[in-house]
This record gives sequence, C-alpha cells and structure tokens, in this order.
Amino acid sequence: SQQGEEDPQALSIQEGENATMNCSYKTSINNLQWYRQNSGRGLVHLILIRSNEREKHSGRLRVTLDTSKKSSSLLITASRAADTASYFCATTSGGGADGLTFGKGTHLIIQP
Amino acid sequence: NAGVMQNPRHLVRRRGQEARLRCSPVKGHSHVYWYRQLPEEGLKFMVYLQKENIIDESGMPKERFSAEFPKEGPSILRIQQVVRGDSAAYFCASSPKGETEAFFGQGTRLTVV
Repeated sequence: SQQGEEDPQALSIQEGENATMNCSYKTSINNLQWYRQNSGRGLVHLILIRSNEREKHSGRLRVTLDTSKKSSSLLITASRAADTASYFCATTSGGGADGLTFGKGTHLIIQP
Repeated sequence: NAGVMQNPRHLVRRRGQEARLRCSPVKGHSHVYWYRQLPEEGLKFMVYLQKENIIDESGMPKERFSAEFPKEGPSILRIQQVVRGDSAAYFCASSPKGETEAFFGQGTRLTVV
C-alpha cells in the first residue's frame, strides 16, 4: 500500500526562490528518505533521516521530520533550473522485510 | 564505479509473449528491489529479494509475475503472457543491507502491443 504522500503534487517557482515539499505517512517508520527523479530516468537518493532525528542538512537541502505528525518536509534553497524534477519520499518500517514504500511525488518546475 | 545496470532499456512485446527484465546490482549489494512506475505516478513496490531468497513479494501479482536473484548472475523479473496493462517502467534498486540508501537503475520501459 502507498505509505508516503507528497504535497503539493506540482510546484512551479522562479529560479532563486526556495521550494518546500511535504510528505505524510501513515505507520511508524525507521527512516524516511527523499529521492529525485529526472524525466524518464532512475531515482537518485538525496537524503535519509532516521526516526530519532528532527532535522538534517545536505548542501542546499534541508529535511525535517515530525514523527508526532507523521510528516516530513524537504526544502531546496536558492533553486536552480537543474532542480526541475519529481521528488519522492520513501519510508522503511523496520523488520527488514519490506522495501522502500514511495509516494506519488511532487513535480517541481523551476522557471528560469 | 558501476551502478545498478538494467537491461534492456526498452522492450517491446506482443500480447501473450514473455518479458524478461534483468538487473545487475551494485557490486557487493545483496538486497534487490523491483518497482513498477506508470506515467505520472510514483513507484509501486513489487518484490524484495536477497541472494537466492524472496523476502517480500507482497506487491507482485500472484499470476504471471515471478522474480529471482540467483547466487550467480543478475536478478530477473519475468512476466509471462504479457497484457497491455503490463506496459510500464520497471525499476530495480539495490542496497548493501535493508533500510539503507537504495541505488536505482535507469529502468526498463516495457511496451506491450
């Protein structure tokens, strides 16, 4: 079943602005990961945040996790045209038996 | 630094034929995942395998679909008697152990005509 749900489904902003995407999930998790997918390509891992972490940074990316609300956000600062892609959150629930469960993604368009 | 290799990149099959999709994981990775993606949609989990074992196949249709990850050689996703609804992009991912970063291949785009 679909675990992560990204919001919004699509987002269009001007180059240089910040982009924020949200992800909500239903069950308890071990970790939450964000991936990027350029059109027609495979997914690229961006960042992993564990259930006992609240915030993590990687370059222009900032991820937050609120386990009480079962939600995460991905912030991309100073966006660039090359950031245009679909962004997916994925969760693992522990036990070692399940694969990453993905949402439908947020399609981000950066206008030059 | 060879990542996950999937072949073929594009596959066209007529209804009723068999489709075989191959995935060579990153060297040293023993965990393989298969996902299906329809246009404009997210990835749907199909199956999770470790060497010679199926760990979780809850996302895979019970009929016509099978997957294996033998001791030697690539992981294979096999679809028998394909139908139009099987047309999709199939992605394989690998990781060194469960619940860590997964590395994805470029996918195989299956078209059933």
